[in-house]
Amino acid sequence: DAGITQSPRHKVTETGTPVTLRCHQTENHRYMYWYRQDPGHGLRLIHYSYGVKDTDKGEVSDGYSVSRSKTEDFLLTLESATSSQTSVYFCAISDPLAGDTDTQYFGPGTRLTVL
Amino acid sequence: KNQVEQSPQSLIILEGKNCTLQCNYTVSPFSNLRWYKQDTGRGPVSLTIMTFSENTKSNGRYTATLDADTKQSSLHITASQLSDSASYICVVTSGTYKYIFGTGTRLKVLA
Repeated sequence: DAGITQSPRHKVTETGTPVTLRCHQTENHRYMYWYRQDPGHGLRLIHYSYGVKDTDKGEVSDGYSVSRSKTEDFLLTLESATSSQTSVYFCAISDPLAGDTDTQYFGPGTRLTVL
Repeated sequence: KNQVEQSPQSLIILEGKNCTLQCNYTVSPFSNLRWYKQDTGRGPVSLTIMTFSENTKSNGRYTATLDADTKQSSLHITASQLSDSASYICVVTSGTYKYIFGTGTRLKVLA
């Protein structure tokens, strides 16, 4: 998985609790992304980062926040988890200077269940 | 609206047979098109990438084609193997770092 780890890999939580997912990369790639994947939908972008402390919203950002204090770490926080946020979350990285221009490399995913 | 549509949604074939997956897109501007393979429980992995000027690209038993005029792409799998069972996702890149994902085709190869 191209030097990308996600933690935790599985989590079950209750409605209303805050949840933080972590993505860690060892590739020194500039861009990092958080997606969610649900049946019947393509991967949908939640937030992305184009550098340390530089982040922007994707198409489904409501209820989520992100932080990137180091190149290698990108955190996704569900401020108050809801059942509609039950999903599989993928982190991805890319970098225009990494050879294969805009190839995205994906982490193994985090399966989140909100009860 | 930028959109990537894939067909069929799912497909079952016997080991050793060939199959073709389709991808139609309405994306502007167009930078490139990729096919990803996603095994169950794992993240997607890039199989091929094609730019506007390329109309075919191979990666082992996988061959992707692109018709930029009709905005269609196909992924042909030759002599399928059990390990080909996966979801195949078509992704179009638009401009800089904007990725539009299809919903995927789920392929099952039976022995």
